[in-house]
Amino acid sequence: SQKIEQNSEALNIQEGKTATLTCNYTNYSPAYLQWYRQDPGRGPVFLLLIRENEKEKRKERLKVTFDTTLKQSLFHITASQPADSATYLCALASGSARQLTFGSGTQLTVLP
Amino acid sequence: EAGVAQSPRYKIIEKRQSVAFWCNPISGHATLYWYQQILGQGPKLLIQFQNNGVVDDSQLPKDRFSAERLKGVDSTLKIQPAKLEDSAVYLCASSMTGVPMETQYFGPGTRLLVL
Repeated sequence: SQKIEQNSEALNIQEGKTATLTCNYTNYSPAYLQWYRQDPGRGPVFLLLIRENEKEKRKERLKVTFDTTLKQSLFHITASQPADSATYLCALASGSARQLTFGSGTQLTVLP
Repeated sequence: EAGVAQSPRYKIIEKRQSVAFWCNPISGHATLYWYQQILGQGPKLLIQFQNNGVVDDSQLPKDRFSAERLKGVDSTLKIQPAKLEDSAVYLCASSMTGVPMETQYFGPGTRLLVL
């Protein structure tokens, strides 16, 4: 069956370090993958999209990689700050599907 | 630009009661989505509208859930009768055209507790 797995444990890191979050998937052939941020009591907010033919995408302190051989996307936040503390969701869709399927998210806490 | 609006923000009901949620998408957005997010899980799509037509409702429990988007703008999601397992946050999102890869903009959600 199709499955999306994100870091099962919450992730705590020290301010200034790089946070790396993982999104693994099985039985999908996604044309693209999106990453969202969700704060408590709020809806998800779009961060980055990466297509299957792209290896890496950057936006300010954020970097996403996409390895279709490993069936994995990595999401990096460099020079992390306490304000980066949130839950991060990956979402993917196959080329023909019109809907996104979300992972369960990874809760990131950046300690001052 | 105003974001996606949802109301109410919180609702507590007893099982077997009915409840309705309202969503007003971003102006001009043709596509509207309703998601259910159970605590500790990611959002799960319930229904997708393109203007006032349904594109995908394959995961909507149609025996108790219904949704409409009259005039292709606002939408309501109803649960009747509610069950304990319906306790969740109900998120509404919209996007400009509904093309895959397009960014979805989410509202703050309605938190439902069924007792």
